[in-house]
Amino acid sequence: QKEVEQNSGPLSVPEGAIASLNCTYSDRGSQSFFWYRQYSGKSPELIMFIYSNGDKEDGRFTAQLNKASQYVSLLIRDSQPSDSATYLCAVNKIFNKFYFGSGTKLNVKP
Amino acid sequence: GAVVSQHPSWVICKSGTSVKIECRSLDFQATTMFWYRQFPKQSLMLMATSNEGSKATYEQGVEKDKFLINHASLTLSTLTVTSAHPEDSSFYICSARGGFGEKLFFGSGTQLSVL
Repeated sequence: QKEVEQNSGPLSVPEGAIASLNCTYSDRGSQSFFWYRQYSGKSPELIMFIYSNGDKEDGRFTAQLNKASQYVSLLIRDSQPSDSATYLCAVNKIFNKFYFGSGTKLNVKP
Repeated sequence: GAVVSQHPSWVICKSGTSVKIECRSLDFQATTMFWYRQFPKQSLMLMATSNEGSKATYEQGVEKDKFLINHASLTLSTLTVTSAHPEDSSFYICSARGGFGEKLFFGSGTQLSVL
């Protein structure tokens, strides 16, 4: 079983719509959760992080965490073509190890 | 956010040679650095965790004698791919944490091509 699982996509949404990206993790002891965006040929950049159950909003981005269901999501409101990228979910476990999902490719169509 | 510098951005080398990749935290002290590799259209695979002043901890299946990691200071970690072979061709990315809670910041990555 993979530590972190994501649907590989691609997820296609029209410009201005809400994009919903999902992630599940296997270890209930996971402590913190991150969303990274990666453009092709580039390294990941941090978008959001969340530690507690519930929602966390930052601009157009909202991260949602449900520890009981071992589920993390990222909502992108008013999606723009520049949001087209691969979104990586990452989980921080004990001993400071970060594990990444395989990523979901998002296409925002103008 | 914190700045992590990684050099070189890309390198082409002959089979059998060694390649060194540098990772520097520019505006913070990185107590822990991580090295990942990423094949096309795949996720990041953690190779090893390095802590300043101590030996790196390698993930299962990663050859420590082939991928030499040195973390001599709080701002510099190096990865040396020894006796590189074509199957070592990959995108190598370093990351660092320290001074900013649990957030992980990435270097720009190094594309290694072994001929």
